[in-house]
Amino acid sequence: QKEVEQNSGPLSVPEGAIASLNCTYSDRGSQSFFWYRQYSGKSPELIMSIYSNGDKEDGRFTAQLNKASQYVSLLIRDSQPSDSATYLCAASTGGGNKLTFGTGTQLKVEL
Amino acid sequence: DGGITQSPKYLFRKEGQNVTLSCEQNLNHDAMYWYRQDPGQGLRLIYYSQIVNDFQKGDIAEGYSVSREKKESFPLTVTSAQKNPTAFYLCASKAGRGDTQYFGPGTRLTVL
Repeated sequence: QKEVEQNSGPLSVPEGAIASLNCTYSDRGSQSFFWYRQYSGKSPELIMSIYSNGDKEDGRFTAQLNKASQYVSLLIRDSQPSDSATYLCAASTGGGNKLTFGTGTQLKVEL
Repeated sequence: DGGITQSPKYLFRKEGQNVTLSCEQNLNHDAMYWYRQDPGQGLRLIYYSQIVNDFQKGDIAEGYSVSREKKESFPLTVTSAQKNPTAFYLCASKAGRGDTQYFGPGTRLTVL
């Protein structure tokens, strides 16, 4: 069974701090990785995708990928209360036709 | 507006009844997916379809059925054989060459 592991949290950070969310995956064949944000009672929305080793930045968000260590992370700079949500990590499987999701990390940004 | 729609938003079912959840997309995406989410858990794949008139079982297909008669539609039927159907059901789609999935707003099913 291919797995994606995340710490369920909650991860609490003060407003303005950097939030660091981590994810490991077991399928070495995974080529694409995604971070989704899910507010309570809502559907997931795509935050970032990353395909190559290294960092990818988009505004306050930076995704990091290390395929050798099978590790993906998401950094959120200048965290805002509106960032409080559950963040789901996903890895492609089945030749890119499917995604395997982690159970999500709950982030709380405190005033 | 392009997007994925799911209906109804909330659905209540009596035990022993079959119910059908609707998923429609106007993104011209080839592949469509159904997931189930239980409280505090990630998304589990029920069924997926990469082309019209073809679909595959996911990890938890038992007690569910689907059809894909049109590219834009992928309805999910929750049958009476599904022993614990209360959950949040999410439909997603992706373009043929990509692997990024986009989600609809979801249907929350409750068994009374």
